[in-house]
Amino acid sequence: EAQVTQNPRYLITVTGKKLTVTCSQNMNHEYMSWYRQDPGLGLRQIYYSMNVEVTDKGDVPEGYKVSRKEKRNFPLILESPSPNQTSLYFCASSTLPRGELFFGEGSRLTVL
Amino acid sequence: QQPVQSPQAVILREGEDAVINCSSSKALYSVHWYRQKHGEAPVFLMILLKGGEQKGHEKISASFNEKKQQSSLYLTASQLSYSGTYFCGTEESNQGGKLIFGQGTELSVKP
Repeated sequence: EAQVTQNPRYLITVTGKKLTVTCSQNMNHEYMSWYRQDPGLGLRQIYYSMNVEVTDKGDVPEGYKVSRKEKRNFPLILESPSPNQTSLYFCASSTLPRGELFFGEGSRLTVL
Repeated sequence: QQPVQSPQAVILREGEDAVINCSSSKALYSVHWYRQKHGEAPVFLMILLKGGEQKGHEKISASFNEKKQQSSLYLTASQLSYSGTYFCGTEESNQGGKLIFGQGTELSVKP
């Protein structure tokens, strides 16, 4: 089954404790991206990747890192999480940068 | 800068029509539309490229007026399944990759 898989789906952590949210797709998509969703603000793009080893900042990259060492994986790294990074995070992939985005189920992160 | 969607929320009866607007202060290359049901991930509806085309199928269609830097989503003869939050996403460059979503429009269709 074609899908985008995120882990963990739910996480409660504390300020400053490094964490990684993994994202993996099995559709051989070149384009992958990360979004955060907050009430009233919609979806905001954090980072995107056009291909392996090619990443670029979205609208709200501060406090996040990404890497794209393999085509299928695009992890989101929070080196020192803060409470303002409490949010619902979505990973998405597409065959093309301007194609249909396939979203993962989301990862709800709470930073205390 | 995020595009502005209007209205923020709308309630319809089954069979009624609705229009959701998406406006940007910047020149646009493309507009993307997604629908998200409560507790689920967004799902793709359509993409409109620069050129003023109108796209759609059956009862959901959209237009893109690049001169006015805005797009509209038209839902005709709404069904209960149309309920959800609708997001427009805009691209300012033809290079692709950077997609900026609006804050969303919550649509509720009642029997």
